[in-house]
Amino acid sequence: EAQVTQNPRYLITVTGKKLTVTCSQNMNHEYMSWYRQDPGLGLRQIYYSMNVEVTDKGDVPEGYKVSRKEKRNFPLILESPSPNQTSLYFCASRRDLWDEQFFGPGTRLTVL
Amino acid sequence: AQSVTQLGSHVSVSEGALVLLRCNYSSSVPPYLFWYVQYPNQGLQLLLKYTSAATLVKGINGFEAEFKKSETSFHLTKPSAHMSDAAEYFCAVSDRNSGTYKYIFGTGTRLKVLA
Repeated sequence: EAQVTQNPRYLITVTGKKLTVTCSQNMNHEYMSWYRQDPGLGLRQIYYSMNVEVTDKGDVPEGYKVSRKEKRNFPLILESPSPNQTSLYFCASRRDLWDEQFFGPGTRLTVL
Repeated sequence: AQSVTQLGSHVSVSEGALVLLRCNYSSSVPPYLFWYVQYPNQGLQLLLKYTSAATLVKGINGFEAEFKKSETSFHLTKPSAHMSDAAEYFCAVSDRNSGTYKYIFGTGTRLKVLA
């Protein structure tokens, strides 16, 4: 089954404790993105990747890092999480630039 | 910069009534346009997309949307609402003016269907 998977689905952590949210897709898509969803703000892009080892900042990259060492994986790293990073996070992938995106199920992160 | 506006953060309709969710974009160059639906505790899934073929686009679950260049709109409609349509709906554009075809999302419309 074609899908985007994310782990964990739910995470509660404390300020400053490094964490990684994994994302993997099995569709051989070139393009992957991370978004955060906050009430009233829709989805905002954090980082995106156009290929292995090619990543760039989106609209809200502060406090986040990403890496793309393999085509299928695109982890999101929070080196020192803060409460304002409490949000719902989605990973997405697409085959071509003009295509629709396929979304993972989301990771709900709470930073205390 | 490209922007997407969804009028009405909450819309309520009666079961069986027409559903109309509004979306306007700002670019003078028609972007690629998408509607996504998000059910509770789930990711977004594609309802339909416009990629400069037919202006009336049919999607899943009986939804359709009409691209109107003169109005820079891409409103989503369904003739008869069903209880299972209750969800949050997002309009998105893929900006052809940006080299990365950046996705820009509207702020979402939560649809409530009344019995």
